[in-house]
Amino acid sequence: KNEVEQSPQNLTAQEGEFITINCSYSVGISALHWLQQHPGGGIVSLFMLSSGKKKHGRLIATINIQEKHSSLHITASHPRDSAVYICAVSPPNTGNQFYFGTGTSLTVIP
Amino acid sequence: EPEVTQTPSHQVTQMGQEVILRCVPISNHLYFYWYRQILGQKVEFLVSFYNNEISEKSEIFDDQFSVERPDGSNFTLKIRSTKLEDSAMYFCASRARIGLGLAGVNEQFFGPGTRLTVL
Repeated sequence: KNEVEQSPQNLTAQEGEFITINCSYSVGISALHWLQQHPGGGIVSLFMLSSGKKKHGRLIATINIQEKHSSLHITASHPRDSAVYICAVSPPNTGNQFYFGTGTSLTVIP
Repeated sequence: EPEVTQTPSHQVTQMGQEVILRCVPISNHLYFYWYRQILGQKVEFLVSFYNNEISEKSEIFDDQFSVERPDGSNFTLKIRSTKLEDSAMYFCASRARIGLGLAGVNEQFFGPGTRLTVL
């Protein structure tokens, strides 16, 4: 059973392209998180969302609570954006456990 | 900026040996977590820890695993007798509550991970 589904699994883009990664979830949440994992393995938190939209530099994250869906957008993509992007949700009340998506592997070609 | 740190970054061990993975959470956080990621698979929850005891654990976290906070700053994960299938990246995280009351949300801060290789 997958509480969090991401698409696409793999994505290759040309430098400069606009990129969208999608996340759908099936559980109630208090927040949704977008994480970035570089080839070395370390995880960095990009966004935490409970509603609406957030922007940080070239990254934009949106969430629709009613539809249980979130998107991560990257504008003017760059090879250094190449990484695995992971969607994770935290349930309400406990927050003890995150449910993780399988990740989207992004490769941006110069 | 405060961060979660983990040591070692890479641990190689023989099957059957005990390993201890170490984490230093962010100092004013109260909830701590261990996750693992087997190569090519998604991140999986292992255990959460609060007030010096386990608050939740997954099916993966069997009797071979234990956690403790020995000195108020370190948070350790011990695997008593490692198996080949324990080879994975192990991430520690600590949690902060952002916002007040019901409107608050939990944000987890991840460490850089320890890559465990069992031979």
